[in-house]
Amino acid sequence: SQQGEEDPQALSIQEGENATMNCSYKTSINNLQWYRQNSGRGLVHLILIRSNEREKHSGRLRVTLDTSKKSSSLLITASRAADTASYFCATVPDGREHAGGTSYGKLTFGQGTILTVHP
Amino acid sequence: DAGVTQSPTHLIKTRGQQVTLRCSPISGHKSVSWYQQVLGQGPQFIFQYYEKEERGRGNFPDRFSARQFPNYSSELNVNALLLGDSALYLCASSLYAYSSYNEQFFGPGTRLTVL
Repeated sequence: SQQGEEDPQALSIQEGENATMNCSYKTSINNLQWYRQNSGRGLVHLILIRSNEREKHSGRLRVTLDTSKKSSSLLITASRAADTASYFCATVPDGREHAGGTSYGKLTFGQGTILTVHP
Repeated sequence: DAGVTQSPTHLIKTRGQQVTLRCSPISGHKSVSWYQQVLGQGPQFIFQYYEKEERGRGNFPDRFSARQFPNYSSELNVNALLLGDSALYLCASSLYAYSSYNEQFFGPGTRLTVL
């Protein structure tokens, strides 16, 4: 089952504009990660934000996390045609780090946002 | 350095057959996870292996099994294939099984089509 829900499902913008994608989740998390997928191939890790962090930046990417609302947003500034892809949020559940505890290998993905950037 | 590799790239099988998918993690990574991605949806977790032991299992039937070898490569086996098993199968590797900074690195996937 999918934990996260991305909003919007699809986003179409012009080059140079900013793109904002939102993700909501249901259970307590240890961290939340954003991934990009081009043309139905492998996923590329973009950024990881831990539950005690509120904001992280990486180049043109800005991620926020609001654990009280169980939501996160991904902002891509000054978008480029090469940013066209599907974007997924994925959560790692909260849990103690010991054998038999939470598997941090288990990412729970949302449905994704399809971003199209027109040149 | 080579990333995560998966083989084969594409595979076509018929209902009832069995399939084996292979994954080689990034050198030094001891954790391998498998995901199934049906068209139009996000990936769903199938298994995680760490140090050759199963550390997590998703909500998949017993027709799905996996193993990890001493060199940390992994195989995913699916028996008695159904049409609904048609999907992109993704393998991901990471350094640790348990870490709050556990970034996962994904391979290009194996596209399985069941006819």
